[in-house]
Amino acid sequence: DSGVTQTPKHLITATGQRVTLRCSPRSGDLSVYWYQQSLDQGLQFLIQYYNGEERAKGNILERFSAQQFPDLHSELNLSSLELGDSALYFCASSVAGGLGGWETQYFGPGTRLLVL
Amino acid sequence: KNEVEQSPQNLTAQEGEFITINCSYSVGISALHWLQQHPGGGIVSLFMLSSGKKKHGRLIATINIQEKHSSLHITASHPRDSAVYICAVRMYSGGGADGLTFGKGTHLIIQP
Repeated sequence: DSGVTQTPKHLITATGQRVTLRCSPRSGDLSVYWYQQSLDQGLQFLIQYYNGEERAKGNILERFSAQQFPDLHSELNLSSLELGDSALYFCASSVAGGLGGWETQYFGPGTRLLVL
Repeated sequence: KNEVEQSPQNLTAQEGEFITINCSYSVGISALHWLQQHPGGGIVSLFMLSSGKKKHGRLIATINIQEKHSSLHITASHPRDSAVYICAVRMYSGGGADGLTFGKGTHLIIQP
């Protein structure tokens, strides 16, 4: 158990809909990262937040947005969903958020999203 | 061309064999991570390297910055080592912040 929690574990929705994925980092970790894992693209970095502020941005679509709240939990919002958004979405956390490279990241169990 | 290449893509070996998984990258990096993904999907961070070698139990990771290459070794392999092993790097960027860039993973099966 990494100490990172994600809800829900599974999500099935229809094209055009909007969903929110939630992540609670390990106690004391200030950085949260979001990743997408699809069969064709593999793992991709989406976005990082550090202590409530956006720190780094990866291959995140404009239809997707995220935020980190004062209690450090984070939400990833996916809107106007397409079939191709079906994937496993992971959240990870680290202590201080040295731009993602210098610290061990602890991964949550993931949210499996299926868009029909 | 992927910036992070792993080989082999698939590897099946017998219990007890010495396993090597390779990772090559094409850009300057500040750190390299090895991750393990279990069949259920969970991801565990195994190592983070910026130079040299690290060892944890039966796992050894090495990196050669000049050659842009890293290896993950498993000694005395066991069926419970069966998983996907993923190499990830944090690249230097003129713009500043970047997240991790991932290889496609090596699917390892250890047969009893």
